[in-house]
Amino acid sequence: AQSVTQLGSHVSVSEGALVLLRCNYSSSVPPYLFWYVQYPNQGLQLLLKYTTGATLVKGINGFEAEFKKSETSFHLTKPSAHMSDAAEYFCALEGNEKLTFGTGTRLTIIP
Amino acid sequence: EAGVVQSPRYKIIEKKQPVAFWCNPISGHNTLYWYLQNLGQGPELLIRYENEEAVDDSQLPKDRFSAERLKGVDSTLKIQPAELGDSAVYLCASSFQHGGSEQFFGPGTRLTVL
Repeated sequence: AQSVTQLGSHVSVSEGALVLLRCNYSSSVPPYLFWYVQYPNQGLQLLLKYTTGATLVKGINGFEAEFKKSETSFHLTKPSAHMSDAAEYFCALEGNEKLTFGTGTRLTIIP
Repeated sequence: EAGVVQSPRYKIIEKKQPVAFWCNPISGHNTLYWYLQNLGQGPELLIRYENEEAVDDSQLPKDRFSAERLKGVDSTLKIQPAELGDSAVYLCASSFQHGGSEQFFGPGTRLTVL
């Protein structure tokens, strides 16, 4: 069985501060890992993905994530938060031909 | 290029009534997915199509849910009869192929069952 755990259902950061959203996974096969963002009343949009190769993955809007196999983690970071980053973020794992999502982290940006 | 189109965006029905959702994927995408998203949760796969074939419907409650993808393009998801617990957002997604590929999501249909 595969699973995704997102630590912290709500995260608040000040504008300009570091954003860190945590994701841990469990998989019996080498995983593909994804981060998606969902704005209110919209579908999910891919931020970045890890399949193979370089473990530090850069995505859109200044986000990046690092795949750490030893820690089974794929945390999402952004050096400086912007008001437009306020949204719901989902970590997802693809293994055994199935995409499994975490429960999401709502990011609030404090002006 | 148009994204994944879903209709209706919102639907309110009374329990025991039927309801249908429609999805038109991105042109050229062979794989189509239907997901269920409950409030405060991540999407959960209901069914995956490769062209016209439903290759994974293990999570689809077949007693009341049905889906079809005629001609391997657009798709319809139906619930009959709807129950109160079916209130959720139903998301459609498509990808060029399955396996490591980005899934492109539509805006979803928000269903409220009264």
